[in-house]
Amino acid sequence: GAGVSQSPRYKVAKRGQDVALRCDPISGHVSLFWYQQALGQGPEFLTYFQNEAQLDKSGLPSDRFFAERPEGSVSTLKIQRTQQEDSAVYLCASSLRTEVTFGSGTRLTVV
Amino acid sequence: QKEVEQDPGPLSVPEGAIVSLNCTYSNSAFQYFMWYRQYSRKGPELLMYTYSSGNKEDGRFTAQVDKSSKYISLFIRDSQPSDSATYLCAMTPPNSGNTPLVFGKGTRLSVIA
Repeated sequence: GAGVSQSPRYKVAKRGQDVALRCDPISGHVSLFWYQQALGQGPEFLTYFQNEAQLDKSGLPSDRFFAERPEGSVSTLKIQRTQQEDSAVYLCASSLRTEVTFGSGTRLTVV
Repeated sequence: QKEVEQDPGPLSVPEGAIVSLNCTYSNSAFQYFMWYRQYSRKGPELLMYTYSSGNKEDGRFTAQVDKSSKYISLFIRDSQPSDSATYLCAMTPPNSGNTPLVFGKGTRLSVIA
């Protein structure tokens, strides 16, 4: 596709539920990033993939957060046992060299 | 203190005004500087990208970087209601294609017709 596609656009989860957020990057983009954006804040880095290799996961807030990109294209961010503080917009971005393109994000609300 | 500081606003200006948005940073390793525009319920969209100190112009937008002061600015001339959005500064060390961006909080701008 022409841009970075994320699904679902909105997700409401009950506290304790597991969720999976999908990112379809721009075709051919080697680098893929996940960011978390809380209300009124800038995006905060979560994790980075180069092809299928997860090279940096230093931003993942806890071991309840897990990301994968098994074939070097589509990526999934999984959050286990969701908590209210996980409520945020989760942004995926991809890049080939320098320019980073963002998707529209998944807005997660934990109730 | 955060690595990147940005006044969150909100900033409200009349149509046609010149807008000045600013960020300061503390990490000398930052070499690439970007400005993103984010409309409500959308992802950030790259507006301007610059590497060196000095000015870079693109239409009504001018990005300015002063590495000695660790200060970057975005100027919007002849602002339009369609410019109403949140503006995020972002920066990264070299090899920015595979290192994460560090963002400011964003400044919410409203341009009133």
